[in-house]
Amino acid sequence: NAGVTQTPKFQVLKTGQSMTLQCAQDMNHEYMSWYRQDPGMGLRLIHYSVGAGITDQGEVPNGYNVSRSTTEDFPLRLLSAAPSQTSVYFCATKPQSGTGWDTQYFGPGTRLTVL
Amino acid sequence: AQSVTQLGSHVSVSEGALVLLRCNYSSSVPPYLFWYVQYPNQGLQLLLKYTTGATLVKGINGFEAEFKKSETSFHLTKPSAHMSDAAEYFCAVSASGGSYIPTFGRGTSLIVHP
Repeated sequence: NAGVTQTPKFQVLKTGQSMTLQCAQDMNHEYMSWYRQDPGMGLRLIHYSVGAGITDQGEVPNGYNVSRSTTEDFPLRLLSAAPSQTSVYFCATKPQSGTGWDTQYFGPGTRLTVL
Repeated sequence: AQSVTQLGSHVSVSEGALVLLRCNYSSSVPPYLFWYVQYPNQGLQLLLKYTTGATLVKGINGFEAEFKKSETSFHLTKPSAHMSDAAEYFCAVSASGGSYIPTFGRGTSLIVHP
């Protein structure tokens, strides 16, 4: 099993450009989420999904869109990149939604720089 | 609502010394508590977790943590630090039902000196 994969590993964008960060999992996990990690801020939840066709906003959703058409994939779209979106982005999954005891499984991250 | 406070953004220890990373939580329902570790340029991975039962939880690489309800704490310890323990450590809290989405602390960077 590959677990949670993220592409690309690195990306540089210019202000105003759009892009999609990809996240895929092969563990048949119900729950998928996106975090951004900034120095001194820890992990902040952007969006999450409790199953195919269902998404919801997290703590910092502005400037990001998501969709979940399959169990396996949960792409994160930046519609018009801004320098404030320079960050490291992590995708995380866990087996079930609605239960708090599950372990989360993290991808390796995407390091995004917006100039 | 739930929250996590990690005391100290950086902790520095000598190799062989005791490691103590502090985590306090707030939760209106019985919590589930986690410690995750992030090595440089990697994603997070589970170190240990408390769900129910024994309050002293043992994890990987010799780490352990004790759930103390009266102190709302879940501090992480290791008797003897190794150079390979240098990493970022995150405490997280969740519950079931409406609070199942984990809330993370801001992280503590562990520095190990030779």
